[in-house]
Amino acid sequence: DAGVTQSPTHLIKTRGQQVTLRCSPKSGHDTVSWYQQALGQGPQFIFQYYEEEERQRGNFPDRFSGHQFPNYSSELNVNALLLGDSALYLCASSHTGTSGNTIYFGEGSWLTVV
Amino acid sequence: GDSVTQMEGPVTLSEEAFLTINCTYTATGYPSLFWYVQYPGEGLQLLLKATKADDKGSNKGFEATYRKETTSFHLEKGSVQVSDSAVYFCAPARNAGNMLTFGGGTRLMVKP
Repeated sequence: DAGVTQSPTHLIKTRGQQVTLRCSPKSGHDTVSWYQQALGQGPQFIFQYYEEEERQRGNFPDRFSGHQFPNYSSELNVNALLLGDSALYLCASSHTGTSGNTIYFGEGSWLTVV
Repeated sequence: GDSVTQMEGPVTLSEEAFLTINCTYTATGYPSLFWYVQYPGEGLQLLLKATKADDKGSNKGFEATYRKETTSFHLEKGSVQVSDSAVYFCAPARNAGNMLTFGGGTRLMVKP
């Protein structure tokens, strides 16, 4: 049973460019959340998708957007990249409706903006 | 909003020493509580969890008890190993949305 998978693993972009990161949730999970982890800090919640809609959103600008597909996989898009967007982007999956269920993370996508 | 306070690191211990990493939280209602571990260059791995007051989560020799009265979830291990060197994150999760709130983490360094 594959866990949460993310792609790409590493990428380098230039300021002003756009990036798309992808995530496949753990089998049986229907909810996908995205987190940004800057170097030396804890992860910060970006947003969460359930039933193909954004359900919750953290304190991130509109340059950060996402999508969830019918197979529950998800994309994170960041437009007009800034140097400060350099971070590890983590995808987490879970199953809504199960009390106290476990939230699993992927290995992350390392984004460097130069 | 929810918040987490963890003891600042790095925590440096000798192998076989006793470990305690303190964690206190503020959250609406009664969240589930998690400890995650992050090894260098990797994502987050679930270490243990507790879903209600007085529950004890345990895994790989690590333990933590959900203390509602003190809103704490301290992590303990009786005898640490060099391989336990990593960053540890405590995080409450709102049950309805499964959204985790993280603090800054605590770096543990175990020396042989």
